[in-house]
Amino acid sequence: GAVVSQHPSWVICKSGTSVKIECRSLDFQATTMFWYRQFPKQSLMLMATSNEGSKATYEQGVEKDKFLINHASLTLSTLTVTSAHPEDSSFYICSARSGGGDQPQHFGDGTRLSIL
Amino acid sequence: EDQVTQSPEALRLQEGESSSLNCSYTVSGLRGLFWYRQDPGKGPEFLFTLYSAGEEKEKERLKATLTKKESFLHITAPKPEDSATYLCAVQDLYNTDKLIFGTGTRLQVFP
Repeated sequence: GAVVSQHPSWVICKSGTSVKIECRSLDFQATTMFWYRQFPKQSLMLMATSNEGSKATYEQGVEKDKFLINHASLTLSTLTVTSAHPEDSSFYICSARSGGGDQPQHFGDGTRLSIL
Repeated sequence: EDQVTQSPEALRLQEGESSSLNCSYTVSGLRGLFWYRQDPGKGPEFLFTLYSAGEEKEKERLKATLTKKESFLHITAPKPEDSATYLCAVQDLYNTDKLIFGTGTRLQVFP
């Protein structure tokens, strides 16, 4: 149980392109979804938190116009990296949680984004 | 500021050689401490949640313990399939949506 699917797993695209990443909870309803960024040998850094039907809450330093988050249903959240540049290259991971803060977050397998 | 430090950064064990991983934390108020396992190129897999000092949880060869300042992940008689990066994260009592992660301990178990 508690399976989170993330697509695509790997994206390579040209600078200036917008890229959309999908995160789905397959066997539970995710009241809250999270988007993280992970650099090699560094910890996961929370980018934003989203609740179904509400605007996402972004962490300090994360540009909301650059990283568009939509959480339209209890099983789907999307992250769109707009006008991506090489510095946006990273490993992006989503997680989903049912219920309140006592419940663990369950993670997808991540998306490796490479901007040329 | 909430902070999580994990040690050692890397650990190499022979199969069957038991050891412990450390997670030291600083948080204004602890709501929960989470342990995850992460395989290369994959997302973290949930292992345990600990809520209060003195609490212990076990799963197969893994046992997690918690004090007011740190948590330990004990690995008993590890097998090669236990090789992974183990991540610790704390949840602040005043912001339960945010997990603060450590940088992890990369465990390699050799046959």
